[in-house]
Amino acid sequence: QKEVEQNSGTLSVPEGAIASLNCTYSDRGSQSFFWYRQYSGKSPELIMFIYSNGDKEDGRFTAQLNKASQYVSLLIRDSQPSDSATYLCAVDGSSNTGKLIFGQGTTLQVKP
Amino acid sequence: DTAVSQTPKYLVTQMGNDKSIKCEQNLGHDTMYWYKQDSKKFLKIMFSYNNKELIINETVPNRFSPKSPDKAHLNLHINSLELGDSAVYFCASSQAENIQYFGAGTRLSVL
Repeated sequence: QKEVEQNSGTLSVPEGAIASLNCTYSDRGSQSFFWYRQYSGKSPELIMFIYSNGDKEDGRFTAQLNKASQYVSLLIRDSQPSDSATYLCAVDGSSNTGKLIFGQGTTLQVKP
Repeated sequence: DTAVSQTPKYLVTQMGNDKSIKCEQNLGHDTMYWYKQDSKKFLKIMFSYNNKELIINETVPNRFSPKSPDKAHLNLHINSLELGDSAVYFCASSQAENIQYFGAGTRLSVL
């Protein structure tokens, strides 16, 4: 089982729709969870981070964390073509070393 | 005013050569990292330093040697380059809450 797992491949949504990106992790002691966006040929850019169970909202983005289910998700409301990118889920494990473990990424395509 | 800067941006070299990538951050962060992103976009940590001390040393061939002359700089030297070393290498830095900021990346192509 991979340490951090995301739906691989491409998620395609129409402009204005809600995009839902999912991530599961295996280390039950994980404390911090991050979503990065990476445009093609660019570096990862932090969008959201979440530490506590529940929802955290920032503009059109909402991160959801359920530690019991070892599940974290990112919702993007009113998706725009500019949101088209690869979204990487990252988990800060229980080792307390600052090591982030990344999922393989989900590519989001927002069609006008 | 780039926060985390890497040089060079592109590196094309022959198998067997030795090359270095440099990274500098002006954010005042204590911790710096090297990541490797392969052709499938999988991003994997290689090393991290906290205030010049090696903290994370993943299973990486010993041809890769990081060096941190001070907490604002973390360089990566690679000896005897192999085809499989071709990838994008990202430097990152962090301070509070392990929020990591990435450099623009160095695309290494080994021919």
